[in-house]
Amino acid sequence: NAGVMQNPRHLVRRRGQEARLRCSPMKGHSHVYWYRQLPEEGLKFMVYLQKENIIDESGMPKERFSAEFPKEGPSILRIQQVVRGDSAAYFCASSPGTAIEAFFGQGTRLTVV
Amino acid sequence: SQELEQSPQSLIVQEGKNLTINCTSSKTLYGLYWYKQKYGEGLIFLMMLQKGGEEKSHEKITAKLDEKKQQSSLHITASQPSHAGIYLCGADITGQGAQKLVFGQGTRLTINP
Repeated sequence: NAGVMQNPRHLVRRRGQEARLRCSPMKGHSHVYWYRQLPEEGLKFMVYLQKENIIDESGMPKERFSAEFPKEGPSILRIQQVVRGDSAAYFCASSPGTAIEAFFGQGTRLTVV
Repeated sequence: SQELEQSPQSLIVQEGKNLTINCTSSKTLYGLYWYKQKYGEGLIFLMMLQKGGEEKSHEKITAKLDEKKQQSSLHITASQPSHAGIYLCGADITGQGAQKLVFGQGTRLTINP
C-alpha cells in the first residue's frame, strides 16, 4: 500500500508563473489536508478537502491560492502568479475519515526565482 | 505568538546520552502528535497522545502528556545516530482530530558520535 504521494518533489517557478502541486492520498483515504512549511517556521494548516468538497480553507491565503480534490485523480494545490514569498515546502496528508491520525507525503519544495 | 512552543529549538548530544524535547500549549490539547522529519523528506508519525497522564513508548522513544493536557515531552534513551532529525509536535486544539493540526517550530536534533 503506497503512502501519500506528492509530485513533483521539487518545483522551480519564475515570479508570475503558476505552480501546480499534486497529492495522491493513500488508497482508501478520502480526506486530504495541505500544509505549508516556510523556511525556519513550523507547518501551517492551509486547507482540508474531501472528495469534491472544501471543508475548511481557513489557512489559505485569500488570493492566488486554490485547492481541489476531484472525484477522480489527485488533489491539486494551485498557486497563481507566484511570488518569492511562496517559496516553501508544501505537505499533503490524508486520512480515511474523521481522523485520529493523518499520514504525510514527502512534500513538494517550491522555489520561486 | 506561537500557539505551540517547542524547546529546545536545537539540541546536540553525544551518542548514547538521553535527551528530552518539550512541547507546551496555551490551550488544552485534544490530541498531541509527535512526528520526525529528516531534511528533504516528509513527516514520519511517531506517537499520538490523547489522555491526561498518558505515556507511550516505541523502542527507545517515550512520549508523555501531562495531566492538565497542556504539555508533552518526548524522551529518547541512549540516543543513536538514527535518531538525528527534526522532531515536530502537532496539536489538535479544536477537537477536530488530525484534520487541522497546529505545529511547533520543531527541534533539530544532532547526534555526535
